Amino acid sequence: GDSVTQMEGPVTLSEEAFLTINCTYTATGYPSLFWYVQYPGEGLQLLLKATKADDKGSNKGFEATYRKETTSFHLEKGSVQVSDSAVYFCAPLVRAARQLTFGSGTQLTVLP
Amino acid sequence: GAVVSQHPSRVICKSGTSVKIECRSLDFQATTMFWYRQFPKQSLMLMATSNEGSKATYEQGVEKDKFLINHASLTLSTLTVTSAHPEDSSFYICSASRSALGYTFGSGTRLTVV
Repeated sequence: GDSVTQMEGPVTLSEEAFLTINCTYTATGYPSLFWYVQYPGEGLQLLLKATKADDKGSNKGFEATYRKETTSFHLEKGSVQVSDSAVYFCAPLVRAARQLTFGSGTQLTVLP
Repeated sequence: GAVVSQHPSRVICKSGTSVKIECRSLDFQATTMFWYRQFPKQSLMLMATSNEGSKATYEQGVEKDKFLINHASLTLSTLTVTSAHPEDSSFYICSASRSALGYTFGSGTRLTVV
């Protein structure tokens, strides 16, 4: 079945540091790939997505590139802010199933 | 943009009572809605897939008589936790799908059973 392996947290960084959260997946076919963010006590918000190989999703300074050859979708940001503190989930979507499969989530804390 | 409203955001109930959680798509018709459960510091666990006008599809291990799902219209799905017990305390999140790539999540419901 489909699965996601996500970098374990928690991750603690200082403001303006570089962020990478690794995500690799196994899925049948060619899934679309998503990163969601969850702020404390809230639901999930779509951060970015990529629908085919070599696509780069970007939003709010975050980027992730769909790497079909390595089945990865690593999340990066060049300079994190305190307001980026949240839990980040990687999620492939197999279109036929129409279901998202979530990674374990990575807690990010950015210190001022 | 697509908005999903989930209510209540927090609820405390006594053991043995039932609690209903609503999930509404405010500006689009959702043919499919999903219900998730999230334990503290863990990922989301899909409980069931709800299709308008038909019975929900439950994931393995989820008790359908315990977690009743109704999707009576294209904009509303409800999850009822029946005869709640403390172990049902959790964060429940719904998601509505407008298309194959459009998934919008509700803000979640924190259920505490005392």
